[in-house]
Amino acid sequence: DSGVTQTPKHLITATGQRVTLRCSPRSGDLSVYWYQQSLDQGLQFLIHYYNGEERAKGNILERFSAQQFPDLHSELNLSSLELGDSALYFCASSFEGADNTEAFFGQGTRLTVV
Amino acid sequence: SQKIEQNSEALNIQEGKTATLTCNYTNYSPAYLQWYRQDPGRGPVFLLLIRENEKEKRKERLKVTFDTTLKQSLFHITASQPADSATYLCALTSDSWGKLQFGAGTQVVVTP
Repeated sequence: DSGVTQTPKHLITATGQRVTLRCSPRSGDLSVYWYQQSLDQGLQFLIHYYNGEERAKGNILERFSAQQFPDLHSELNLSSLELGDSALYFCASSFEGADNTEAFFGQGTRLTVV
Repeated sequence: SQKIEQNSEALNIQEGKTATLTCNYTNYSPAYLQWYRQDPGRGPVFLLLIRENEKEKRKERLKVTFDTTLKQSLFHITASQPADSATYLCALTSDSWGKLQFGAGTQVVVTP
């Protein structure tokens, strides 16, 4: 158990809908990262938050947004969903930036868009 | 553009042998490089971190080397076991904060 909790584990929704994925980082970790992993694809970096502030952005679609709340949990919002958004979405946390310390990953949310 | 390249072909290896994986990168100047293990449908698990001033690092049966001149890291699993079968990912950052990016990973299959 990494200590990072993601909910829900599975989500099935229709095209055009909006969903929210939730991540609770390990106790004491200030950084939260979001990644997308499509079938047979690598981990694609989406966004990084540190202590409530956005620190780095990857190729995140405009239809996607995220935030980190004062209690350090984070939410990833995906809207106007398309079939191609079906993927595993991972959240990871680390104490500071993940360059010099390990990142701990949650078990992911599997999103299926039908 | 920045790239992290790992061998996309699966590495099939016999139990007891040493598996060697390669990670090459371009347009990065990382101070640190990390290796993770990922099992199907599960989140990656951290294995090792090596700093730019460290040539080699070991943890149990794992060994990592980091050559900033060649822009390459090698990851070795010695005395491999079937339980080592997984996908191994290298990761690094483009700056001191955030944007921890991963290679596509190399699948290792260890047969008894």
